[in-house]
Amino acid sequence: DTEVTQTPKHLVMGMTNKKSLKCEQHMGHRAMYWYKQKAKKPPELMFVYSYEKLSINESVPSRFSPECPNSSLLNLHLHALQPEDSALYLCASSHPLGHEQYFGPGTRLTVT
Amino acid sequence: GEDVEQSLFLSVREGDSSVINCTYTDSSSTYLYWYKQEPGAGLQLLTYIFSNMDMKQDQRLTVLLNKKDKHLSLRIADTQTGDSAIYFCAETPDQTGANNLFFGTGTRLTVIP
Repeated sequence: DTEVTQTPKHLVMGMTNKKSLKCEQHMGHRAMYWYKQKAKKPPELMFVYSYEKLSINESVPSRFSPECPNSSLLNLHLHALQPEDSALYLCASSHPLGHEQYFGPGTRLTVT
Repeated sequence: GEDVEQSLFLSVREGDSSVINCTYTDSSSTYLYWYKQEPGAGLQLLTYIFSNMDMKQDQRLTVLLNKKDKHLSLRIADTQTGDSAIYFCAETPDQTGANNLFFGTGTRLTVIP
C-alpha cells in the first residue's frame, strides 16, 4: 500500500458547523502533515505530527484542531470556520528516516 | 522565510521538450523536489535531487541543479498531453525526519496537441 487517502473528497459546511477531515496511510510513515492550498497558490504547511506528537504548528487559528490518534491516522477538526478558510486541504506523510513527502488527493472544503 | 520562484506559465507542442525553471534563496537547502498537480487533485512526487548532485535522470525527466546560482530545472522529454498540469518545485533544509517543504509558486504547463 503506497498511498495516502483522505475523506471526504468534498465538504460544504456553514460557519457554525463542526466537521472533521480524515487522513490515513499504511506505509509505516511516522510523520504526517496538514497543508492548506488556496486556488492558484502553492500549498502552505499548517501542522506536522512526528511519532504522533505535534511538532510544528504554523500559527494556525484555533478553529483548526489537529489530532493524531495513532500512527496511521490524522484528523483535522473544524469549528466556526470563516468563508476565507475555503480551500483544498492536503494531507501528507513521510518515513521517519526519509525525506520524501507523499500527498493524498485532498479534501475540497467550502465554507458558506 | 524561504523564497522559491517559478514562471507561471509554459506552453509546448506535443512531442517537444519542456523545461520548467525554479530559483530559490535558501543556500542550506538539502533536497529539492518536483511535484505535479493535476486539476482538482493532490500532489504527485515526480523526482528529487540531493544538493550535492548537479544532475539526475529518471526516464523522461531530467533534473539539473546549479547550486551556485540556486537554480533548479526540470526537463520533460517528448512531452505528452497527459503532462499538462501545474508543476511545483519545493525545497527543504532538513535531511530526515518531519520537515517543512517550501513550495514555489507553480508553473502551469499546457501541452498543445
